[in-house]
Amino acid sequence: DAKTTQPNSMESNEEEPVHLPCNHSTISGTDYIHWYRQLPSQGPEYVIHGLTSNVNNRMASLAIAEDRKSSTLILHRATLRDAAVYYCIPLTQGGSEKLVFGKGTKLTVNP
Amino acid sequence: GAGVSQSPSNKVTEKGKDVELRCDPISGHTALYWYRQSLGQGLEFLIYFQGNSAPDKSGLPSDRFSAERTGGSVSTLTIQRTQQEDSAVYLCASSPQIQKDNEQFFGPGTRLTVL
Repeated sequence: DAKTTQPNSMESNEEEPVHLPCNHSTISGTDYIHWYRQLPSQGPEYVIHGLTSNVNNRMASLAIAEDRKSSTLILHRATLRDAAVYYCIPLTQGGSEKLVFGKGTKLTVNP
Repeated sequence: GAGVSQSPSNKVTEKGKDVELRCDPISGHTALYWYRQSLGQGLEFLIYFQGNSAPDKSGLPSDRFSAERTGGSVSTLTIQRTQQEDSAVYLCASSPQIQKDNEQFFGPGTRLTVL
């Protein structure tokens, strides 16, 4: 499994953009980069995923470095509901596509 | 539509008792995963099902843990002779199929406390 490095915690103010970085230097060429988040007292929820190109959806944008060794999850306007632990997960080829969670980044959003 | 559901939401048991945890995946999802989240270990994979078969049981911590899935739908995780270190939140997730670009949909979890 590809190793990931994320900041333990980050802070943002409401309605400001947030850039959550992730290093995954050992990622293989066919691994998708998935992001999940876990709100307090809830199960994880899917945020976004990508392979090589930058991706946008209603929740966030994902910027993937050209060498694919890092990626950044972008929340364009943070809300209080975005306070959660964010996990960057390279999905490795192996047949089960199980998610291997690291420690993630705990995002605090200040009103 | 209905998401992944799990029951019970909370379970308190005494050390040495057996427990059964249930997961109802999203209808039509062929892949089903069990994870657990404890304070010391974070979120860890336990087992996954493709249909009714479990090709990857590598995450089960001991032979006290077992799981089955019937009819390609409901899954039960059984823990025999529970120990205090089994206390955790047990999470179930389902996915339309095993594919690297598929998202997993998680249930709310079962909080297990072993006294």
